[in-house]
Amino acid sequence: DTAVSQTPKYLVTQMGNDKSIKCEQNLGHDTMYWYKQDSKKFLKIMFSYNNKELIINETVPNRFSPKSPDKAHLNLHINSLELGDSAVYFCASSQGKGSGHGNTIYFGEGSWLTVV
Amino acid sequence: LAKTTQPISMDSYEGQEVNITCSHNNIATNDYITWYQQFPSQGPRFIIQGYKTKVTNEVASLFIPADRKSSTLSLPRVSLSDTAVYYCLVGEGFNTDKLIFGTGTRLQVFP
Repeated sequence: DTAVSQTPKYLVTQMGNDKSIKCEQNLGHDTMYWYKQDSKKFLKIMFSYNNKELIINETVPNRFSPKSPDKAHLNLHINSLELGDSAVYFCASSQGKGSGHGNTIYFGEGSWLTVV
Repeated sequence: LAKTTQPISMDSYEGQEVNITCSHNNIATNDYITWYQQFPSQGPRFIIQGYKTKVTNEVASLFIPADRKSSTLSLPRVSLSDTAVYYCLVGEGFNTDKLIFGTGTRLQVFP
């Protein structure tokens, strides 16, 4: 059983298009995240939801819009894709928030987005 | 703001013990220190977590001094399959919801 699953794994699309990446976790966790890993391998948090409420919204262009229909799902929609959006996007989840109380983050396998 | 500093890369040979140190001078009182491992084309995977002193599991040991301003991940007798990027993770200052990954340490294990 895959704990955190995201689709699609690979996505190649043209500039200006709108695309979505879906994420589901079957761990019963309360918190879900989207991270972005660029070509230099820096892993940066984009958004975090706790019980379907947005708790972290980093300085991400508003072309990126997360949506959490329920605790187990956190989708990422990207409008008007740009070349610089090419990266690996990781969905993740954890039981609690932050790094206190022994919280552990579980990551999905990543979605490789290439904008051409 | 809490920030982690790790060596960018390390080399080792099979069978050796590898120690990777992470500095986190501004760690918050309720932050735990967590290490993740990432193989190419995969998501980061939890290795070990600790708050103070020493923690050991089947994969690694984590040493944390009393001031908690640094931590050392110890991998005993590494193998080729331990070649990966290792990230040290703590919260960001008082906002422990905002988890920050450092640049990571790229460990290369040679035969």
